[in-house]
Amino acid sequence: GENVEQHPSTLSVQEGDSAVIKCTYSDSASNYFPWYKQELGKGPQLIIDIRSNVGEKKDQRIAVTLNKTAKHFSLHITETQPEDSAVYFCAASTRMNTGFQKLVFGTGTRLLVSP
Amino acid sequence: NAGVTQTPKFRILKIGQSMTLQCAQDMNHNYMYWYRQDPGMGLKLIYYSVGAGITDKGEVPNGYNVSRSTTEDFPLRLELAAPSQTSVYFCASSYSDKDTEAFFGQGTRLTVV
Repeated sequence: GENVEQHPSTLSVQEGDSAVIKCTYSDSASNYFPWYKQELGKGPQLIIDIRSNVGEKKDQRIAVTLNKTAKHFSLHITETQPEDSAVYFCAASTRMNTGFQKLVFGTGTRLLVSP
Repeated sequence: NAGVTQTPKFRILKIGQSMTLQCAQDMNHNYMYWYRQDPGMGLKLIYYSVGAGITDKGEVPNGYNVSRSTTEDFPLRLELAAPSQTSVYFCASSYSDKDTEAFFGQGTRLTVV
């Protein structure tokens, strides 16, 4: 079945630095790649997503890149701020036998931004 | 606009007890999901529903049951709780299963002792 690997599991940066989280996926048919941010005690919240027909997408300080040939995608956060501290999950879509398209999640990256 | 509401937030169960985790959404989404989140393991899909009256198994359905009698509600039932079901459970909903945002509830932390 589809597998999504995510690295690193923890990432500590100084405020103002950049942070990069990387994911690889196994299903070559995957075509949707969202990133979710989970703050302490809350449910995951979508922060950015990318579809397979696009190589890069930006939204203010965050960007996602996709390399379909290598089957990996990355989240880039620039000018990090303490409020960026959270757990980040990548995910990739995969189709089940029923035709339903589910998301397979990575194992998460705990980002800590120190003032 | 409450989004996705889960109850309870915390629960401790004894082995063999039963309980229902409640989930309700007010966004008129057809698609609803139950996930469990274990430390270092990401989110695993337990069950999903594509509309009222239609449910199907996800990756880890054993030990759980669901129902979807209305568009709004998607309860998850644990019949005979086991320590392996200790986890954080998230309910989510979305407009479609194709390339759309899933909205998550705040989670239920369940401990089985």
